[in-house]
Amino acid sequence: NAGVTQTPKFQVLKTGQSMTLQCAQDMNHNSMYWYRQDPGMGLRLIYYSASEGTTDKGEVPNGYNVSRLNKREFSLRLESAAPSQTSVYFCASKTGQGVNTEAFFGQGTRLTVV
Amino acid sequence: AQSVTQPDIHITVSEGASLELRCNYSYGATPYLFWYVQSPGQGLQLLLKYFSGDTLVQGIKGFEAEFKRSQSSFNLRKPSVHWSDAAEYFCAASAWRKLQFGAGTQVVVTP
Repeated sequence: NAGVTQTPKFQVLKTGQSMTLQCAQDMNHNSMYWYRQDPGMGLRLIYYSASEGTTDKGEVPNGYNVSRLNKREFSLRLESAAPSQTSVYFCASKTGQGVNTEAFFGQGTRLTVV
Repeated sequence: AQSVTQPDIHITVSEGASLELRCNYSYGATPYLFWYVQSPGQGLQLLLKYFSGDTLVQGIKGFEAEFKRSQSSFNLRKPSVHWSDAAEYFCAASAWRKLQFGAGTQVVVTP
């Protein structure tokens, strides 16, 4: 079982470049999330999608955009990368409300902006 | 505002000693609560979760957590730590469909 797959695993960007981080899940989950992880700050929610066709801002949405392409895929776009966006990015998915609301995580994308 | 707080940034514990990691939450109603572990360079793995019912929850790798509504806490414990437990631990809370994490506690295990 693939679970949650993120691509790429590593990326180096120059300031001002754009890129899209891809995330796909094969568990038929309704909700998907994008987090960034920085030392001493835990995981901070960037955007989430509670269901196909909806997206909402999290704690740190500035500088990012998202697209819930379909139920499986949730992409994160950096339009003009800045050094402050150097971080490890995690995508997660879960079913939503109900008994099983455990979130499953991808392996992360390590992004460096120089 | 909703929040999840892990007061201890860093804990050092001797192998074989007991471990307790603290977690407090601030939500209007009791959220779903989770503990995740992250080994260096890895993604997050779920240790245990609390939805309702028995306030003492058993998880994987010998961990357990106790939910205390009066204290808005969900502390993680392990009676005897192994060197492989060295990792970063995250408490998380979910209300509606938003999943929020604490800042994490780094656990170092000494011989």
